[in-house]
Amino acid sequence: QQPVQSPQAVILREGEDAVINCSSSKALYSVHWYRQKHGEAPVFLMILLKGGEQKGHDKISASFNEKKQQSSLYLTASQLSYSGTYFCGTEFSDNYGQNFVFGPGTRLSVLP
Amino acid sequence: EAQVTQNPRYLITVTGKKLTVTCSQNMNHEYMSWYRQDPGLGLRQIYYSMNVEVTDKGDVPEGYKVSRKEKRNFPLILESPSPNQTSLYFCASSKRDRKFFGPGTRLTVL
Repeated sequence: QQPVQSPQAVILREGEDAVINCSSSKALYSVHWYRQKHGEAPVFLMILLKGGEQKGHDKISASFNEKKQQSSLYLTASQLSYSGTYFCGTEFSDNYGQNFVFGPGTRLSVLP
Repeated sequence: EAQVTQNPRYLITVTGKKLTVTCSQNMNHEYMSWYRQDPGLGLRQIYYSMNVEVTDKGDVPEGYKVSRKEKRNFPLILESPSPNQTSLYFCASSKRDRKFFGPGTRLTVL
């Protein structure tokens, strides 16, 4: 039931763009995105609910395609501060709390 | 300041010696949960609690216990720790959307 994330790792130069994908074998109710810097706790980025909406703030945005059971996180004009591991978290129903599963993570490294 | 606290932050123990990791939040959240993080496996849910006295198993509950006697506290108990429970543990609390994570507890069981 764990969602699949791709790529597993990506290395960028400052200013380049990246896309991280999250896909599930089960129908999704919502998708969360978190970022974890080395040695720190995960930090919430955004949540996307069933309905195909796209969200974003600053240069980080995400989309959710419920028919394809997948979500994508878009990082544009990447900055050094974007480095870290990105996790998607998936909910399979609106029965809050049950069946919330994180993906294995995508490690993003932004180089100067 | 809104926060989730965990103690201890680091713990080295021996097989079979009971231990408790405490978790406390000051945001009046109903929902709290425990995760373990292992390289390549991401964050796996151990237990979660929807409210006081309501707890349920996550994906990897074997070898762990929890209790929720007060809304703010959600301790994780390892009755007889084993080396395969060596991991990084995170407590989290939330309302309906974003989860707030504690700073983590790095546990080593020898």
